Amino acid sequence: EVQLVQSGAEVKKPGESLKISCKGSGYNFTKSWIAWVRQMPGKGPEWMGIIYPGDSETRYSPSFQGQVTMSADTSINTAFLQWSSLKASDTAMYYCARRGNFWYDNWGQGTLVTVSS
Amino acid sequence: EIVMTQSPATLTVSPGERVTLSCRASQSVSINLAWYQQKPGQAPRLLIYAASIRATGIPARFSGSGSGTDLTFTITSLQSEDFAVYYCQQYNTWPWTFGQGTKVEIK
Repeated sequence: EVQLVQSGAEVKKPGESLKISCKGSGYNFTKSWIAWVRQMPGKGPEWMGIIYPGDSETRYSPSFQGQVTMSADTSINTAFLQWSSLKASDTAMYYCARRGNFWYDNWGQGTLVTVSS
Repeated sequence: EIVMTQSPATLTVSPGERVTLSCRASQSVSINLAWYQQKPGQAPRLLIYAASIRATGIPARFSGSGSGTDLTFTITSLQSEDFAVYYCQQYNTWPWTFGQGTKVEIK
């Protein structure tokens, strides 16, 4: 069974750094694209970018380029999303999703990030 | 970027009714469109991809149609578990974009 398990909720202060994770299992982690999706409170989802763990090729949405960094560690079947300096506006639920045979049909449970002074 | 506009914003219906949701793109997305269902506290769930193909395990009462700039999602007979927010999402042109969602609520 394909599973994506994300790291737990985080509470951070503005300016702090953060790295959240998404661990895949039940499939060949190196051969499926992983997407990161942001959902701000009460809003629709937004695609942040995608990463191919096999060669770490990444593609960022222009809105998120330079704001976050996606990476993957194939030795532990885990993808990461990180911020170097959080803002209050980064408060949101973050989902990872895996591209199956046809589209992104496996999603993690989400990681809630709260940034508040 | 391509703007996806969904209508209506909210739909109030009774179980058993037929539901039709609209998704309009600011430019053609061909058939590169997906539909998702999201319930409170849950991740989005893929229902339809390539505009009309049901994802694995999705019941036949869910269907999608259309191409280009006008696409439609239909639930033929609404079940109690179908009350949720539905999003369309284009993947024809990067960055991929979602619509703002249609909330289907109980009458």
